[in-house]
Amino acid sequence: SQQGEEDPQALSIQEGENATMNCSYKTSINNLQWYRQNSGRGLVHLILIRSNEREKHSGRLRVTLDTSKKSSSLLITASRAADTASYFCATENNNNDMRFGAGTRLTVKP
Amino acid sequence: DVKVTQSSRYLVKRTGEKVFLECVQDMDHENMFWYRQDPGLGLRLIYFSYDVKMKEKGDIPEGYSVSREKKERFSLILESASTNQTSMYLCASSFWPGQGANYGYTFGSGTRLTVV
Repeated sequence: SQQGEEDPQALSIQEGENATMNCSYKTSINNLQWYRQNSGRGLVHLILIRSNEREKHSGRLRVTLDTSKKSSSLLITASRAADTASYFCATENNNNDMRFGAGTRLTVKP
Repeated sequence: DVKVTQSSRYLVKRTGEKVFLECVQDMDHENMFWYRQDPGLGLRLIYFSYDVKMKEKGDIPEGYSVSREKKERFSLILESASTNQTSMYLCASSFWPGQGANYGYTFGSGTRLTVV
């Protein structure tokens, strides 16, 4: 069963703008991860945030986690055309297996 | 570089055939996973394994089986392929949590299987 649900399903922005994607989930988690997938390829791990963390940064990525609302957001600052991809959130639960959402398709126009 | 290698990028099989999808990782990861990805449904977990000869059912194990005879190799088997198993199949591996769990999962490039 899907655990994470991303919002929006699709997002189109201009190069240089910020992109924000949201993820909601239903059950308790150990951590939440964000992945990126270029068309027709495998997923690439971007960032992991643990259930006791509230915010994490990696380069142009900023992830927040609100366990009381069971939600997370991924912010990509100063977006580039090369950021065009699908972005998935995934939640790892107490059984140590992971569930993915359906993804947000981000298009960054040059 | 951590590598997860899936044996085929594209595969076309006939209905009723037995299909083997192979996945090999070279980072001594304990955990390995098979997902299928379909438009609008995201990734769904088929089977996973935390150790050699261990296997656990995921959310959609029906019509599939797995084999993990060696730590580095995790095979997904479609016993009798059907058209509704046409999909993108993704293999992933990871360390056991607590042993480098900051790295997340490493995915292979995927196998696009078409059953005709």
